[in-house]
Order: sequence, then C-alpha cells, then structure tokens
Amino acid sequence: QQPVQSPQAVILREGEDAVINCSSSKALYSVHWYRQKHGEAPVFLMILLKGGEQKGHDKISASFNEKKQQSSLYLTASQLSYSGTYFCGTGNTGNQFYFGTGTSLTVIP
Amino acid sequence: DAGVTQSPTHLIKTRGQQVTLRCSPKSGHDTVSWYQQALGQGPQFIFQYYEEEERQRGNFPDRFSGHQFPNYSSELNVNALLLGDSALYLCASSFLGQNTGELFFGEGSRLTVL
Repeated sequence: QQPVQSPQAVILREGEDAVINCSSSKALYSVHWYRQKHGEAPVFLMILLKGGEQKGHDKISASFNEKKQQSSLYLTASQLSYSGTYFCGTGNTGNQFYFGTGTSLTVIP
Repeated sequence: DAGVTQSPTHLIKTRGQQVTLRCSPKSGHDTVSWYQQALGQGPQFIFQYYEEEERQRGNFPDRFSGHQFPNYSSELNVNALLLGDSALYLCASSFLGQNTGELFFGEGSRLTVL
C-alpha cells in the first residue's frame, strides 16, 4: 500500500523550482505532505482532502488528482530551508496513513 | 502547550530482549499512531490506538504490541528483538474528530539491536 514517490532525490540551486510526485495503486481518500529534516521528526506541510483540490502556503503548493490516484508537491523559488526529505502520506479511512518512499531534496547556494 | 513526547530517545538492546517505548500525545489529542522508520526509508505504519483499543494495524508481526491508557498516552512493546528491528520509532498523535487528520510527531526513540 506504500505510495511511490518520484524523483528519489533532487538537487536544486536556491531560487529553482521542483516538483515531487506521489502515486498510489489504491484509491486515495486524502493526501498529506510532510518534510523531515535529518535527525528530526516529520513536520506536517498540508493535506488535500478532495480530488482536484490544490493548496499552498508560502511558495509550496500541492495538487491532488483523485482519478489518477496521484498528488504533486510544487516548490517554487526554493530556499536553503527547504532541504530535507519529503514524504507524501495517503489515507484510506480515519487517521491512518501510509507514507511514501520519500524524496530527498537538497538546496545549495 | 507540550507537543508529542517520547521516551527513551535512544536505547540499545540485544537480540531476543524485549523493549517498551512510551509516548505522550499532544494536549487535546486522543489518537496515537506508531511508525517504524528504518534508515533512509519512509515511516512504516505499525498500529493506531483510539479509546484504548487498537483500531488499525499495519503489516507487523505479533511481536509488536501496544497499549493506550485512559490519559491517551501509549506504549509500544516489541518482544524477541531481531537485528532488523533496529530503527527510529515514531509516535504521532491526532484528534480523531478533526477533519484535517494532521499528524503531530514526536522526536522518536532510536532503537539499536545488537
């Protein structure tokens, strides 16, 4: 049930944009995005509850295509603080989530 | 407002031993989920507790068991430890009634099995 993320790793220069994709083989009820910095706990970024929903804060946004069972995370004008591993989490019922395979993002000056 | 707290932060055990990890959820939260995160991998869902009962369980053997107390805190027990149980164990709390489903994670307990 683990969602698959792509790419596995990406290196950006400050100011560049990136897209992280999350695909599930099962129908999605919701999609969550988390960022985990090395040695720290995952931190919640956003949740999308409906197919077609898009959300964003600051320069990070996400979309959810329920029919394609996919979600994408968009990071624009990346900052050094964006570095970390990004995980999508897909929900079926209630608060149970399965986390994706992860995408390592490194932003360099 | 205290967040999710876990103890111990680090521990070392030998194969065959048993371990108990503890978690106190964020104030106001009533649901606790446990995850295992191996090095370089994403968190793997172990189980979730709500109203002192196990509501959902991932693909983990019966050696992994848990408990939730009336104050919503929780324990994760692992028996007959294997080398492969070495990982970061994360506790996440949430409020079942909320629609957002946001998970708040503790800093984790890093278990090393020798």
